[in-house]
Amino acid sequence: GQQLNQSPQSMFIQEGEDVSMNCTSSSIFNTWLWYKQDPGEGPVLLIALYKAGELTSNGRLTAQFGITRKDSFLNISASIPSDVGIYFCAGLNYGGATNKLIFGTGTLLAVQP
Amino acid sequence: ETGVTQSPTHLIKTRGQQVTLRCSSQSGHNTVSWYQQALGQGPQFIFQYYREEENGRGNFPPRFSGLQFPNYSSELNVNALELDDSALYLCATSGQITSTLASDTQYFGPGTRLTVL
Repeated sequence: GQQLNQSPQSMFIQEGEDVSMNCTSSSIFNTWLWYKQDPGEGPVLLIALYKAGELTSNGRLTAQFGITRKDSFLNISASIPSDVGIYFCAGLNYGGATNKLIFGTGTLLAVQP
Repeated sequence: ETGVTQSPTHLIKTRGQQVTLRCSSQSGHNTVSWYQQALGQGPQFIFQYYREEENGRGNFPPRFSGLQFPNYSSELNVNALELDDSALYLCATSGQITSTLASDTQYFGPGTRLTVL
């Protein structure tokens, strides 16, 4: 099935460092979403982006909707141990016949105290 | 807590068997989407139900079927199980399908881990 290209695949960082990950698509979306998934749990929505060029923050998280509508990035500042998990981007074209999410391949984040 | 519940949490079946997974929708959400997440992958869209009717389907064979009930809860049925069906099955609920931004956010349940032996 279709998946978005997400990079890096994994990151191993020290507590307090900043993190950046991005997601690219060959097709356009009108909504970009970022989710975090802990082991054995479902994805939890972190940030939703609705307009090309939009920059949105949620606490230490900042995400941007690329101007071409084919990419997005997520930054995490001053990482802490509870940031550990898998981060997924997802594209959505709401308003169509089916509002289905297309997910990225995921970025595994490990934070060492 | 998203308010979306799924049952059972874990399930072990053998090849050829049939399985039914259940999802209870968050209050006020009338759309349910099902996703399959294989180990190490992102979730893949199976299908979506809106007002008790299938409203779009991903690249999954007909042995994957579903139902949505009047209370908006939903079932995913898989017949003739194959080894590759082993995965985490996620349901996500959302509001009415409109162009209203907030109502299109999908909230996920914790998933059902299916193992096919």
